Amino acid sequence: GAGVSQSPSNKVTEKGKDVELRCDPISGHTALYWYRQRLGQGLEFLIYFQGNSAPDKSGLPSDRFSAERTGESVSTLTIQRTQQEDSAVYLCASSLNPADTQYFGPGTRLTVL
Amino acid sequence: QKEVEQDPGPLSVPEGAIVSLNCTYSNSAFQYFMWYRQYSRKGPELLMYTYSSGNKEDGRFTAQVDKSSKYISLFIRDSQPSDSATYLCAMSLPSGGSYIPTFGRGTSLIVHP
Repeated sequence: GAGVSQSPSNKVTEKGKDVELRCDPISGHTALYWYRQRLGQGLEFLIYFQGNSAPDKSGLPSDRFSAERTGESVSTLTIQRTQQEDSAVYLCASSLNPADTQYFGPGTRLTVL
Repeated sequence: QKEVEQDPGPLSVPEGAIVSLNCTYSNSAFQYFMWYRQYSRKGPELLMYTYSSGNKEDGRFTAQVDKSSKYISLFIRDSQPSDSATYLCAMSLPSGGSYIPTFGRGTSLIVHP
């Protein structure tokens, strides 16, 4: 079946611009996660959605970062006024339930010039 | 001190070698231990999943958890060039805690023919 998809696969933007990244989870998965992976670093948790519960935003690094999820489907991660340190791969994962295996998308590679 | 420490490598071995990958951690409350494999420009995929202490074997892969030493290992027997990837350890709290795993930074493995 279809896995987690993310778009765009690559995004190059200028410092100060806003960007929007999209994640399509596996159908039926109630939990959705966003992570950031800087070059040579591990995955840094950003935000977690579970069903209709309030999202866990504890990993968002600043108020320039926000995310939304429509029901149990698509999620968008928005970064406003991008900075060079935002350059990273942004990974989305979904799981059937919170404690289940997370399935990752291929990521969006963001480069801020 | 980071919660999860992992040597980034790279670790270069000849084909057929036994590979040992390791992580140490500081939070004794972690109960679930995972190893992910990440190929270049791809999202991580779950390789092994272990609950609490002990060993788990799956084909050429063996995961070990030593909670008393706060140390986990992944062994790869008869390594193949196709095993060349970054291996990330991850761990999470027991049910009722946060399901969000804490990741190591990953070890880059190169298996040369």
